[in-house]
Amino acid sequence: GAVVSQHPSWVICKSGTSVKIECRSLDFQATTMFWYRQFPKQSLMLMATSNEGSKATYEQGVEKDKFLINHASLTLSTLTVTSAHPEDSSFYICSAIGRRVETQYFGPGTRLLVL
Amino acid sequence: GENVEQHPSTLSVQEGDSAVIKCTYSDSASNYFPWYKQELGKRPQLIIDIRSNVGEKKDQRIAVTLNKTAKHFSLHITETQPEDSAVYFCAASPNPQNFVFGPGTRLTVLP
Repeated sequence: GAVVSQHPSWVICKSGTSVKIECRSLDFQATTMFWYRQFPKQSLMLMATSNEGSKATYEQGVEKDKFLINHASLTLSTLTVTSAHPEDSSFYICSAIGRRVETQYFGPGTRLLVL
Repeated sequence: GENVEQHPSTLSVQEGDSAVIKCTYSDSASNYFPWYKQELGKRPQLIIDIRSNVGEKKDQRIAVTLNKTAKHFSLHITETQPEDSAVYFCAASPNPQNFVFGPGTRLTVLP
């Protein structure tokens, strides 16, 4: 299968700071990347979809000014949680699909803890 | 839009027994149904998928069946092993860009 990496794997930050999470497709060109949030014992909640070179499409209820997404290349998308607060603490997972990768492959996730 | 339900939410089986997880979907346009396995603190991993032009697909101890008329699909795991313990998510999709995930099933295989 296709390989998707994510960095960092975990981060602890103070309330009010911004945190950037990177998602990379290592062995394929990702035409679309997805960002999910997962709370403990819950399903994956899609936050936004990003296509290379265009603005991300956010799901209802997700603040685009708080969760900045940049998909600058076919192998990299970044999610920046701006002015993070304790309620933003969660497990953030990206996934990607490509021209020859027709299903979503997930990154290992980033566990964010905001103190 | 698509709505995916999944049952049961938790399932415990004895090692060696079979486990069955069922999902229903609402959008008849959905034609792709993947299943993911997620171990605690790890990424969801694709374990099997099926497209709507196929009624059943099998890969060793794992099989998926699809009933398009009834809009439901099921995951079957035979000869369960402790390492099968995880949360399993189904999803339905009219295309790879629009996955809708079920709420998940926590499977525990008891030794």
